[in-house]
Amino acid sequence: DAGITQSPRYKITETGRQVTLMCHQTWSHSYMFWYRQDLGHGLRLIYYSAAADITDKGEVPDGYVVSRSKTENFPLTLESATRSQTSVYFCASSELNTGKGSYTFGSGTRLTVV
Amino acid sequence: DAKTTQPPSMDCAEGRAANLPCNHSTISGNEYVYWYRQIHSQGPQYIIHGLKNNETNEMASLIITEDRKSSTLILPHATLRDTAVYYCIVRGYTNAGKSTFGDGTTLTVKP
Repeated sequence: DAGITQSPRYKITETGRQVTLMCHQTWSHSYMFWYRQDLGHGLRLIYYSAAADITDKGEVPDGYVVSRSKTENFPLTLESATRSQTSVYFCASSELNTGKGSYTFGSGTRLTVV
Repeated sequence: DAKTTQPPSMDCAEGRAANLPCNHSTISGNEYVYWYRQIHSQGPQYIIHGLKNNETNEMASLIITEDRKSSTLILPHATLRDTAVYYCIVRGYTNAGKSTFGDGTTLTVKP
């Protein structure tokens, strides 16, 4: 089905481990985003990408790495997971034209770092 | 980048109109106002957007003031299923990647 999919839906990892969250969209949207949402709070932008091979930092990029070698994929890597990175991670995509470009969000990945 | 300010919470009686305000006093000319809502822990869902004219769709109406410094999302006949967190963001060509969501407004629709 067309859409935006995130995997895994749930992940438990240990402190210090590297973990990668996957995001795939089927619309060929130019923009893709990663947000984190801590319990009881709103969304904070981690990184975004305007096109393949173009990425930029958001509000809270420290401890995260992204890449975008293909338009449809935008993986997020936690290089050395910490407990403070326990959160729900949402991926989103959008068209280039901001007049039409509403965000479409994935279902989220709930990450627990122990 | 334009920021938005929303009240943290609001209540509304079922069947009545819910009016959710948003302040975006630093909005620039090319920035649109977008509204999203998030139910439970699902991904946020797009509701409506506008530039300067009022807009209406099957979900809601959006009223933008003439100076564009604030807007109001109107849910004309709120139901219990409209209980959610509502986010107002601004987005334009100059900040197309860096829109911030903030904490939004938690709307509770009561029977």
